[in-house]
Amino acid sequence: AQSVSQHNHHVILSEAASLELGCNYSYGGTVNLFWYVQYPGQHLQLLLKYFSGDPLVKGIKGFEAEFIKSKFSFNLRKPSVQWSDTAEYFCAVNARSNTGKLIFGQGTTLQVKP
Amino acid sequence: DTAVSQTPKYLVTQMGNDKSIKCEQNLGHDTMYWYKQDSKKFLKIMFSYNNKELIINETVPNRFSPKSPDKAHLNLHINSLELGDSAVYFCASSQGTGAYEQYFGPGTRLTVT
Repeated sequence: AQSVSQHNHHVILSEAASLELGCNYSYGGTVNLFWYVQYPGQHLQLLLKYFSGDPLVKGIKGFEAEFIKSKFSFNLRKPSVQWSDTAEYFCAVNARSNTGKLIFGQGTTLQVKP
Repeated sequence: DTAVSQTPKYLVTQMGNDKSIKCEQNLGHDTMYWYKQDSKKFLKIMFSYNNKELIINETVPNRFSPKSPDKAHLNLHINSLELGDSAVYFCASSQGTGAYEQYFGPGTRLTVT
């Protein structure tokens, strides 16, 4: 069965610190990869996605992620976080099947201290 | 303009009641989904419809019944509510079932007392 694992459950950083959130998935086939963000009290918004091509993808608000196929990983990075980045971050995977089913990781709570 | 909307935003009800949550998308998408987010914020898919046809039905109790009257709407009806049904329910839509991002609604927080 497919699964997604996010290694960091709760991350606390000071403003301007660099961020890296880990995401690994288990699935032998081709996948589509996503990072979603959920700001407090809001719905999920897409940060970035990878379908094919350049494994380094850039998203909104200065976020980027790198797909490393050999490691089944899709880690999220940001060079310098801001207080407004405080949110819940979800990695999600969808196998290249026809159902569109998204499998989510358990989420990482990011708290940025001003 | 709201892309994916859900009503109600909050729903408080007693055990044993029946309730419905409505979802509408104005993006012209073919595929809609229901996800459940539990108290630990874990998100899990429940159902998916593509062109009004059910294509994903995870191991969800029969008390949950989705209905898609047309491509723009996907409603969720829950019978005989239980305490464990308390969660946030998110509706989402996508252009199709392949390599497409999903757009999420604001969520409905259901509290069963």
